[in-house]
Amino acid sequence: DAGVIQSPRHEVTEMGQEVTLRCKPISGHDYLFWYRQTMMRGLELLIYFNNNVPIDDSGMPEDRFSAKMPNASFSTLKIQPSEPRDSAVYFCASSPYIVGTANFGYTFGSGTRLTVV
Amino acid sequence: GQQVMQIPQYQHVQEGEDFTTYCNSSTTLSNIQWYKQRPGGHPVFLIQLVKSGEVKKQKRLTFQFGEAKKNSSLHITATQTTDVGTYFCAAYFGNEKLTFGTGTRLTIIP
Repeated sequence: DAGVIQSPRHEVTEMGQEVTLRCKPISGHDYLFWYRQTMMRGLELLIYFNNNVPIDDSGMPEDRFSAKMPNASFSTLKIQPSEPRDSAVYFCASSPYIVGTANFGYTFGSGTRLTVV
Repeated sequence: GQQVMQIPQYQHVQEGEDFTTYCNSSTTLSNIQWYKQRPGGHPVFLIQLVKSGEVKKQKRLTFQFGEAKKNSSLHITATQTTDVGTYFCAAYFGNEKLTFGTGTRLTIIP
């Protein structure tokens, strides 16, 4: 299994531009999560999906952020318009299921390092 | 909101010394997970603890879940340079969202 695949690995964009981050979860995983990591705020959950349906987007910072999961193998996180304070590493993670007896944790992708100048 | 606090924030140890990081919650946890993130890398799942007082070992790593299920610890015996990274605990607070602790960054002095 190739794991969770994110693209691009690095993105540098100018303030005001639209940015789209992409994620392919592990096949068979029902849950997909988008996290943002910064030095100041650590790992923050932005939104998560269960079977392609958005369940909780309370972590999305502003209306400039949107996420979609059109099918079980693809998700996008879009920022429009981007601002310098959006600079961070964005991680996508997937999991077969949440709380249970099985010892499954999240599998994270390699992340997208976003720099907005 | 609900959160897990980790201490210390940073730890510098000589290679071969032991290392411990602690995770605390004000509320009872259903379970707790531990992750490791290498510099420039992504979090990697290490283990999950579920039972009160549970202790699990992975080679030189020992994980404990407190009797009251409000705290946990990760202990590394005889650290090696490969142990460098940030260690996170993470917990569910009665919902489907995994909340990560602030992490402990471990650096090794050769």
